[in-house]
Amino acid sequence: SQQGEEDPQALSIQEGENATMNCSYKTSINNLQWYRQNSGRGLVHLILIRSNEREKHSGRLRVTLDTSKKSSSLLITASRAADTASYFCATPMYSGGGADGLTFGKGTHLIIQP
Amino acid sequence: SAVISQKPSRDICQRGTSLTIQCQVDSQVTMMFWYRQQPGQSLTLIATANQGSEATYESGFVIDKFPISRPNLTFSTLTVSNMSPEDSSIYLCSVELGRVYNEQFFGPGTRLTVL
Repeated sequence: SQQGEEDPQALSIQEGENATMNCSYKTSINNLQWYRQNSGRGLVHLILIRSNEREKHSGRLRVTLDTSKKSSSLLITASRAADTASYFCATPMYSGGGADGLTFGKGTHLIIQP
Repeated sequence: SAVISQKPSRDICQRGTSLTIQCQVDSQVTMMFWYRQQPGQSLTLIATANQGSEATYESGFVIDKFPISRPNLTFSTLTVSNMSPEDSSIYLCSVELGRVYNEQFFGPGTRLTVL
């Protein structure tokens, strides 16, 4: 069953604007990962945030994690046409103690208008 | 991260046949994972493959339909057996790397169409 739920399901913004995507999950986790997928290809790993972290940055990406609300957000600043993709959050299926598959949210399809 | 390759990148197959997908990693990894992504959907874990032991399958997936081999620490195969159009999906392998705890990195995927 799906652990995470992203919203919005689709987001269309102008180039240069910021894009925010949210992810909610149901059970306790020890980490959460965000991925990007371009046109049905392989997944690109963006960032992993651990349960004891509240915020993490990587270039134009900012991820937050609120374990009390069981939610995470991904912010992409100064968006570019190349950011057009689907974005997924993923959490460990079981204990998260290593050797654990992931359960994915439904994804947010982001379109950057030139 | 690791360099992960998959073969074939895509294939079109006839109903009732089988296809074996290969996944190669450029470093030794303990665990490899196989996922399915049906059209317009998210990813679902099929099974976890540990070298030297039987793969562990998730609910809804069985070994007879999706046999997996893991002959060494850099290679795995997934076979989709007795295919039907419902098996049309992208199949992805992933590996878990220890550099940062529990990070998983994915191969480019195999796009399968069953006619």
